[in-house]
Amino acid sequence: TQLLEQSPQFLSIQEGENLTVYCNSSSVFSSLQWYRQEPGEGPVLLVTVVTGGEVKKLKRLTFQFGDARKDSSLHITAAQPGDTGLYLCAGLPFKTIFGAGTRLFVKA
Amino acid sequence: NAGVTQTPKFQVLKTGQSMTLQCAQDMNHEYMSWYRQDPGMGLRLIHYSVGAGITDQGEVPNGYNVSRSTTEDFPLRLLSAAPSQTSVYFCASSYSKGGTYNEQFFGPGTRLTVL
Repeated sequence: TQLLEQSPQFLSIQEGENLTVYCNSSSVFSSLQWYRQEPGEGPVLLVTVVTGGEVKKLKRLTFQFGDARKDSSLHITAAQPGDTGLYLCAGLPFKTIFGAGTRLFVKA
Repeated sequence: NAGVTQTPKFQVLKTGQSMTLQCAQDMNHEYMSWYRQDPGMGLRLIHYSVGAGITDQGEVPNGYNVSRSTTEDFPLRLLSAAPSQTSVYFCASSYSKGGTYNEQFFGPGTRLTVL
């Protein structure tokens, strides 16, 4: 069974701080996605990484796919209260496997 | 486009009752899926469909049935509700590109409580 483990499970930081969350597996994935979910809503895709070692940037968010395509990280620079939410990683293909998520709270 | 819609938003059932959660999408996506989300466990795949008339089981299919008679609709049926099915249910759809499935678009969810 493929599993994706995310860490930390919960993170509470002050506005302006930097943070990194991790998504790890013993399985190889063809690609990996990061979603953000806000309370009472469904997840929304942030990025898909496909190539081992790939780095993608989305404003203050930097996503990296591990060389072996088994892990990924999300780094947020100068976090803002609007970054608050549940961050989920998902491994593809086909029967998408989701991690349990990292719940981020950014205090103003 | 409305995207992915789900009804109802909230539902309370008694043990043993049956009900259908509705899901519809207007993006002409081939792939549709149902997930349940429980605290600390992320999203778990219940059933999925790669097109009208084709469905398959996901990670946690027991106690749920699905059908896909049209591209747009993918209802989830609970035949005899149990307290263990208390959860938030999400429907999602996706398009195929190059043989792989891409961004999933999620509905707003149905919060189900089984007493």
